[in-house]
Amino acid sequence: EPEVTQTPSHQVTQMGQEVILRCVPISNHLYFYWYRQILGQKVEFLVSFYNNEISEKSEIFDDQFSVERPDGSNFTLKIRSTKLEDSAMYFCASSIMDRVSYNSPLHFGNGTRLTVT
Amino acid sequence: DQQVKQNSPSLSVQEGRISILNCDYTNSMFDYFLWYKKYPAEGPTFLISISSIKDKNEDGRFTVFLNKSAKHLSLHIVPSQPGDSAVYFCAASDIIQGAQKLVFGQGTRLTINP
Repeated sequence: EPEVTQTPSHQVTQMGQEVILRCVPISNHLYFYWYRQILGQKVEFLVSFYNNEISEKSEIFDDQFSVERPDGSNFTLKIRSTKLEDSAMYFCASSIMDRVSYNSPLHFGNGTRLTVT
Repeated sequence: DQQVKQNSPSLSVQEGRISILNCDYTNSMFDYFLWYKKYPAEGPTFLISISSIKDKNEDGRFTVFLNKSAKHLSLHIVPSQPGDSAVYFCAASDIIQGAQKLVFGQGTRLTINP
């Protein structure tokens, strides 16, 4: 079964550094997302992306964050200047449609654990 | 943000018995509900979903029930198997916010005892 792949599985960085988290969505999916889960908290929506532009973003997704689809397969999340509170598990996801339905659930990758020291 | 709540952080069930996981929500605009299962070091995996126009959806050992008036849904797993041990997340999507901007509950850790 096709799956969403994320690299790296674990990233350690120093506060103030830039990080790029990488994702390869499922090949025939058109909608891409980033979610994150801070330890002990809920999984929360960050941003959705379609047709090379952001379609929705949460209040968490401030100017420090950006997303890009640099080629036909990769989808990246960049954090420009990391803060301690950015430490979390970041999940990439993709879907065929933008509307949730039985035929179009969100498919998640295994996540990148980001640790900011 | 308490729009979706799973009040039981953990649940322990004997193998072969029924597991019932509960979820409550407050936003009446939610129109689609999903259950995801998560093993350690993996991402959430879609299990089953239900639209707000239905009150039950069944897929093999998994059944989701929706009670709109009570703003409550539940996931039934029967019979429970050791491989079902995982964290289960309830998630909801609303008509206005749209799409795959899911709102998740805190999760319930299910342990199936042999």
